[in-house]
Amino acid sequence: ETGVTQTPRHLVMGMTNKKSLKCEQHLGHNAMYWYKQSAKKPLELMFVYNFKEQTENNSVPSRFSPECPNSSHLFLHLHTLQPEDSALYLCASSQANGDEQFFGPGTRLTVL
Amino acid sequence: QQQVKQSPQSLIVQKGGISIINCAYENTAFDYFPWYQQFPGKGPALLIAIRPDVSEKKEGRFTISFNKSAKQFSLHIMDSQPGDSATYFCAASRAGGGNKLTFGTGTQLKVEL
Repeated sequence: ETGVTQTPRHLVMGMTNKKSLKCEQHLGHNAMYWYKQSAKKPLELMFVYNFKEQTENNSVPSRFSPECPNSSHLFLHLHTLQPEDSALYLCASSQANGDEQFFGPGTRLTVL
Repeated sequence: QQQVKQSPQSLIVQKGGISIINCAYENTAFDYFPWYQQFPGKGPALLIAIRPDVSEKKEGRFTISFNKSAKQFSLHIMDSQPGDSATYFCAASRAGGGNKLTFGTGTQLKVEL
């Protein structure tokens, strides 16, 4: 595997389900990000981790819970989501002081 | 409050033509302005970026023009090709901002034969 990978690529869940999104970067980076991409809206930064420590929580509802066990892996735990949470969730990584962010292909989430 | 405004929302250009996408920002502390390209089913990928110390940067057919006083920057794609059909996002960040990119809303470009 190269670059940034995300699993699953597609996820359909009910509002009462609990699921997790997984991201893995193979670039030796030490910063990782979660973004939400909705149609006709700017990419919304959700969380930032630097060296496994959360450095940014962009007022994200608590039904989204990130986890970063090491610099290569990032999870987004989902529970009791709402239909308006349906979107493409993108993971990215970068060097902690670097400018360029490398994105994964995203997980297309549908909440019924 | 949207800090980076992007236009147009969609653009159709004939093959060989010039595609122009514009962005305007509000935060004068921004000092890094990248453009990302996204194909269907893929994540965004960095295309080209500029810092405010230069007014123009060119990489192949892609050029960023930057106007610091107007707080505007634009992407020009010369000799547009069907393979350039994608969604383009401008973004901005500031030094010491913790690598936080603020994105525009995106422009869907279609290059027709």
